[in-house]
Amino acid sequence: SYVLTQPPSVSVAPGQTARITCGGNNIGSKSVHWYQQKPGQAPVLVVYDDSDRPSGIPERFSGSNSGNTATLTISRVEAGDEADYYCQVWDSTSDHYVFGTGTKVTVL
Amino acid sequence: EVQLVESGGDLVQPGGSLRLSCAASGLIVSSNYMSWVRQAPGKGLEWVSVIYSGGSTYYADSVKGRFTISRDNSKNTLYLQMNSLRAEDTAVYYCATVGIVAGIPESFQHWGQGTLVTVSS
Repeated sequence: SYVLTQPPSVSVAPGQTARITCGGNNIGSKSVHWYQQKPGQAPVLVVYDDSDRPSGIPERFSGSNSGNTATLTISRVEAGDEADYYCQVWDSTSDHYVFGTGTKVTVL
Repeated sequence: EVQLVESGGDLVQPGGSLRLSCAASGLIVSSNYMSWVRQAPGKGLEWVSVIYSGGSTYYADSVKGRFTISRDNSKNTLYLQMNSLRAEDTAVYYCATVGIVAGIPESFQHWGQGTLVTVSS
């Protein structure tokens, strides 16, 4: 089965840039989606199709995907960005949906 | 506005059964790809099952043969029948819509608030 690997945690100072990676075999050939989840809340889609943002998501959230790594970038980090972030793909070979292991972003 | 409201979560003994419901408004369940995603306490997200608009269903290996996804078009509601429950099925269960582009499943766009299932004796 397809596996997505994320770093367990990322720490960043307010106003700086956070980068969260998502590693998978030839992930660049897949569409990657990113979710933000705050404690006690349902996940929220923040980036889809590698780099597109749903309406209402700040431009500070951006994404890229190439080779074996996809990246979610949060620019000008704010305290409200502190949350868990998950990447996700659809595996066409199995028709299964796969989530990454999740990354906790801490704003210092 | 799309709203998804899950219900049916409860405390159940190992080996028992439970049926979760997800009542939808603002969209037609039968015309969409609908899915269940779960999250064990303190753990990450895990995809459970999906039902496509054409009726095809798929399951994670961890629940295949024990869980059944279905929908009631007249009630615009999605269901998850869970049998032979195990302690490791303890989780918050979310229903979610799956976006489609040119027939290809994409992201989980809309989520419910979740319902807690606890499997314990």
